[in-house]
Amino acid sequence: KNQVEQSPQSLIILEGKNCTLQCNYTVSPFSNLRWYKQDTGRGPVSLTIMTFSENTKSNGRYTATLDADTKQSSLHITASQLSDSASYICVVGGDTGTASKLTFGTGTRLQVTL
Amino acid sequence: DAGVIQSPRHEVTEMGQEVTLRCKPISGHDYLFWYRQTMMRGLELLIYFNNNVPIDDSGMPEDRFSAKMPNASFSTLKIQPSEPRDSAVYFCASSKRLQGGNNYGYTFGSGTRLTVV
Repeated sequence: KNQVEQSPQSLIILEGKNCTLQCNYTVSPFSNLRWYKQDTGRGPVSLTIMTFSENTKSNGRYTATLDADTKQSSLHITASQLSDSASYICVVGGDTGTASKLTFGTGTRLQVTL
Repeated sequence: DAGVIQSPRHEVTEMGQEVTLRCKPISGHDYLFWYRQTMMRGLELLIYFNNNVPIDDSGMPEDRFSAKMPNASFSTLKIQPSEPRDSAVYFCASSKRLQGGNNYGYTFGSGTRLTVV
C-alpha cells in the first residue's frame, strides 16, 4: 500500500530559528514529490515539486531535498517567520503523465512563536 | 486569475438533510478533484474528473455521495442524506500539465467546512 509518513506531527519554534520537517514514502511507481503549505482555513498551496532526478529545490526560505534511493525528503525552513505557522504536507505523485495518483501525508503542524 | 472558487465556505446542516457543495475550477485546467480533509485521516481523494468525465470515484465513501461536472467550469458534490460523520472540510482542486514536463500542477480552493449536527 502506498504510504507517506511525516515527522514530527507538530513542532513549535521561536521566530528566526531554522527547522527541518521529514517525509518518508513508500510509493510505487514514483513520479514526483511535492511539499504544500496549508494555512488555517485555507487550501494547500504548492511550495516545491521535485522529480526523480532532482535532489534539491528552493523556494525563498524553503528548501526541499529528495533522496530517491532511501525514499526520504525533507523541507528546511530558514529564519522562520510568524507567517510560516501552518501545516506542511508532503505529497508523492505516483504516475507520470497523469494528474491522478497522489498520496498525501497527514502533515506537520508548525507553530512559530515570539 | 481568481483561482479555484468553492461555495459555500461554511455549511451547517441537520442530519438527514441534503448538502450541495460547489466548485468552479481554473479555466483551462482539464482535471478536477474533490477531496475530504479530517484531522484523523488528512486529505482523501473522493473523485476526480478529466475533461468533465468522472474517471475514478472509488474514494466516494458510500452511495450517499454523488458528484457531477456538467461543464468545464462547474462541479458539484452532493451528500444526501447527510450524517454527522460527514463533518469535514471538503476541497476542490483543479490541475493542468506543467510546462516542459509530464507533471501536473494543482491548485486547491479554500474549502467548504461542513458541519452536520
